[in-house]
Amino acid sequence: KAGVTQTPRYLIKTRGQQVTLSCSPISGHRSVSWYQQTPGQGLQFLFEYFSETQRNKGNFPGRFSGRQFSNSRSEMNVSTLELGDSALYLCASSYVAEPYNEQFFGPGTRLTVL
Amino acid sequence: AQSVTQLGSHVSVSEGALVLLRCNYSSSVPPYLFWYVQYPNQGLQLLLKYTSAATLVKGINGFEAEFKKSETSFHLTKPSAHMSDAAEYFCAVSDVAGANSKLTFGKGITLSVRP
Repeated sequence: KAGVTQTPRYLIKTRGQQVTLSCSPISGHRSVSWYQQTPGQGLQFLFEYFSETQRNKGNFPGRFSGRQFSNSRSEMNVSTLELGDSALYLCASSYVAEPYNEQFFGPGTRLTVL
Repeated sequence: AQSVTQLGSHVSVSEGALVLLRCNYSSSVPPYLFWYVQYPNQGLQLLLKYTSAATLVKGINGFEAEFKKSETSFHLTKPSAHMSDAAEYFCAVSDVAGANSKLTFGKGITLSVRP
């Protein structure tokens, strides 16, 4: 079974631009979560989608948004990029959106904002 | 709100020595607890999880952790370190009452293994 895939793996943008990151979950998984990882703040939850509905949202500004498609693939978008948005963005999938479920993580997209 | 504390940011052990990585949680009710490992330039991989069954949980690669409610701890151990264990380790908690998979992570601990 293929794992979680994220595209692109690396991305360089400049301040003020917007970016879209993509995540394909493991086949059959319907829950997709996004996390931001930085050296200073560590791993922080962005949002979670299940069956195309946002189930939970972290404490991030409205510039961060996401969506999930009917095939469970998910995208996250960051508008008006700031230097502080430079981070590794990790996507995780699980079969259902339950707290006891194991989440399977992708390799991440490393975003650099110049 | 739930939180996880991982004391220290870096642990160094000799190959063959005991590995002990500490994790304490803060939650109004016993939560679900997880340990993940991250190798350089990779995502996170689940080592083990506690979901209110046995308090001693065995995971992959010889790791285990014991849930101690009285100490609000979930420390990760491995009897004998191997060079391949060098990585970053994260303890995480999820909310048993939530109908979601949100994880709250600790800051992580970097494990170095000396030959």
